[in-house]
Amino acid sequence: AQTVTQSQPEMSVQEAETVTLSCTYDTSESDYYLFWYKQPPSRQMILVIRQEAYKQQNATENRFSVNFQKAAKSFSLKISDSQLGDAAMYFCAYRRTAGGTSYGKLTFGQGTILTVHP
Amino acid sequence: EAGVTQSPTHLIKTRGQQATLRCSPISGHTSVYWYQQALGLGLQFLLWYDEGEERNRGNFPPRFSGRQFPNYSSELNVNALELEDSALYLCASSLMAFEAFFGQGTRLTVV
Repeated sequence: AQTVTQSQPEMSVQEAETVTLSCTYDTSESDYYLFWYKQPPSRQMILVIRQEAYKQQNATENRFSVNFQKAAKSFSLKISDSQLGDAAMYFCAYRRTAGGTSYGKLTFGQGTILTVHP
Repeated sequence: EAGVTQSPTHLIKTRGQQATLRCSPISGHTSVYWYQQALGLGLQFLLWYDEGEERNRGNFPPRFSGRQFPNYSSELNVNALELEDSALYLCASSLMAFEAFFGQGTRLTVV
C-alpha cells in the first residue's frame, strides 16, 4: 500500500521569505501523480501543484515549485516570496495513474501547518 | 464555472440517526470522491463513484454508503451515527481521474 509522510507538523516563515515543506512517499509503482493541496481556514482544499512521475522536470506554478526526487521518493514544495495568504495547512498527496483497486483515490500525508509572520 | 458544491455546510445529528450529505461536481466531471477528515486522523478516503457506479471503497464500515445519480451528483449516507463519525466530509470531483477539485466540505457533528 502506498503511504505519504510529512515529517513537519508545523513550519513558519517571514513574509517575503522562502520556505520548503517536505514530503516522502512509499510506492512500488513506477508511474503516478503527486500533488500539493492547500487547506486554508475556510476548509476548502485547493490544488497548488501537480507532478507526473514520468516527467523529470520539476513542476512550477508562479511562486510555488517542487523538488521531485523519484529515486529518493521525495517531493518537497518550495514557496517563494511568502505572502500572508499562504498561511494554511498543506497536504502532500499521491495517486497512481491507472489500474488496480486503489486507482482514483488520493493518499494524503498528515499535513503541515504553515504560519506566515508579517 | 461553478466549483464543487456540497450541502449542507453544517449538520448536527444525534447518535443512532442517519445523515445524508450531498455533492454536486464540476460540470463535465464524471467522478466523485468522498473523504473524511476527522480531528487527528487526517484525510481518509471513503468512496469513489464514476459513471454511476462505485469504483472503490476505503476501510469504512458498511453503514457508510452512497450513490451517484445520472447527473453525476452524489449522496453520502451514514447510518447508525456514532460519536466518532463527527468530522469534516469533503467531496471532490474529477474527469477521468485527473486532478481532483474539492468542495468546501460538510461539517458533521454527532451528539
